[in-house]
Amino acid sequence: DGGITQSPKYLFRKEGQNVTLSCEQNLNHDAMYWYRQDPGQGLRLIYYSQIVNDFQKGDIAEGYSVSREKKESFPLTVTSAQKNPTAFYLCASSIKVSTDTQYFGPGTRLTVL
Amino acid sequence: SQQGEEDPQALSIQEGENATMNCSYKTSINNLQWYRQNSGRGLVHLILIRSNEREKHSGRLRVTLDTSKKSSSLLITASRAADTASYFCATPPGGSYIPTFGRGTSLIVHP
Repeated sequence: DGGITQSPKYLFRKEGQNVTLSCEQNLNHDAMYWYRQDPGQGLRLIYYSQIVNDFQKGDIAEGYSVSREKKESFPLTVTSAQKNPTAFYLCASSIKVSTDTQYFGPGTRLTVL
Repeated sequence: SQQGEEDPQALSIQEGENATMNCSYKTSINNLQWYRQNSGRGLVHLILIRSNEREKHSGRLRVTLDTSKKSSSLLITASRAADTASYFCATPPGGSYIPTFGRGTSLIVHP
């Protein structure tokens, strides 16, 4: 059963805490992406990775960090430096960055208490 | 800033009617994609149209592209309640491979 998974579905965090969102894919895609979506807004790119051990900042990388140690996994850490982290986070993958279609996970809704 | 912007922001129709939503973009493109998002879920790719294509069909979906006007439209024919979702256009700005997404059109189809 191929696809892209994210966990957890809902996540609650206290102010000042770091939290890590999981993203896994078994599509054998090289490229992976993290987006943030706020209510009534489009998707904004946080980070992307073209290949293992490589990643690039997107439009809103401040307060976030990522790693890409395995092809299948691209976890996102929301640090305490992120001033307004409450949002819906979407992970996506594509065959390559230059490939047109992105495949999305189901999302993680992060709420800061 | 966003490359693509959808219009209208919200659309409410009755089942069986057609739904048309539009996307305008700013820079030259190689392709434009439409995605669908059900409430609280991830996005699903619907259709891609390349810059040398003017129209494309997929089931009840019809997409047009007018590069001279820098605009695209998505038509859903004979809409169903299950078509209720947000629809986004996405296209890479010039010089980039990674698409940027508009704010979306929220479509409600009443049974």
